[in-house]
Amino acid sequence: GNSVTQMEGPVTLSEEAFLTINCTYTATGYPSLFWYVQYPGEGLQLLLKATKADDKGSNKGFEATYRKETTSFHLEKGSVQVSDSAVYFCALNLGGGSYIPTFGRGTSLIVHP
Amino acid sequence: DAGVTQSPTHLIKTRGQHVTLRCSPISGHKSVSWYQQVLGQGPQFIFQYYEKEERGRGNFPDRFSARQFPNYSSELNVNALLLGDSALYLCASSLGGGGERNTEAFFGQGTRLTVV
Repeated sequence: GNSVTQMEGPVTLSEEAFLTINCTYTATGYPSLFWYVQYPGEGLQLLLKATKADDKGSNKGFEATYRKETTSFHLEKGSVQVSDSAVYFCALNLGGGSYIPTFGRGTSLIVHP
Repeated sequence: DAGVTQSPTHLIKTRGQHVTLRCSPISGHKSVSWYQQVLGQGPQFIFQYYEKEERGRGNFPDRFSARQFPNYSSELNVNALLLGDSALYLCASSLGGGGERNTEAFFGQGTRLTVV
């Protein structure tokens, strides 16, 4: 089956630190990969996506590269801010005959001033 | 522009009762999906509807049902509520139906259901 594995949280960082949140996946086909962010009390927002191998998705200083050989899509940011504190979800979507997107468990990020 | 709207925002029900959750998609979006997010977990897919037809169903019991109306809004119904149904229920809308790997889904703020 399809699954997404994310690193356990919470990840606690000081402002301006470097962020990496690991994400690996297993899929029966060739998925598109996504990172969503959920701020407290809100729904999920798409942060970035990549649709094929070696694609790099980027948005708001966050980046992730689709690595087919390692089945990974790690999220990175060079300098985090307090406002980045949220829960981050990695997800895959196969589409085609499959209409069931798969999310990871989420990784909580806490950024201190 | 209005985003995805869900109602109610919070709800408390007793075990065995029935609940109906509502979702209005973004204007022009024809696909609606429902997810259950238990505290500390990622969203779990329940249903997807496109053009009023069910296009996908997750691993949930028959107590869960949904429908989509001609204006593309949707309802999620849960019968015989259990304590374990307590969760945040998220609705997402998107432009396309199936077959499009890259379709972005826009999420509502969710309905927080507490079963006591």
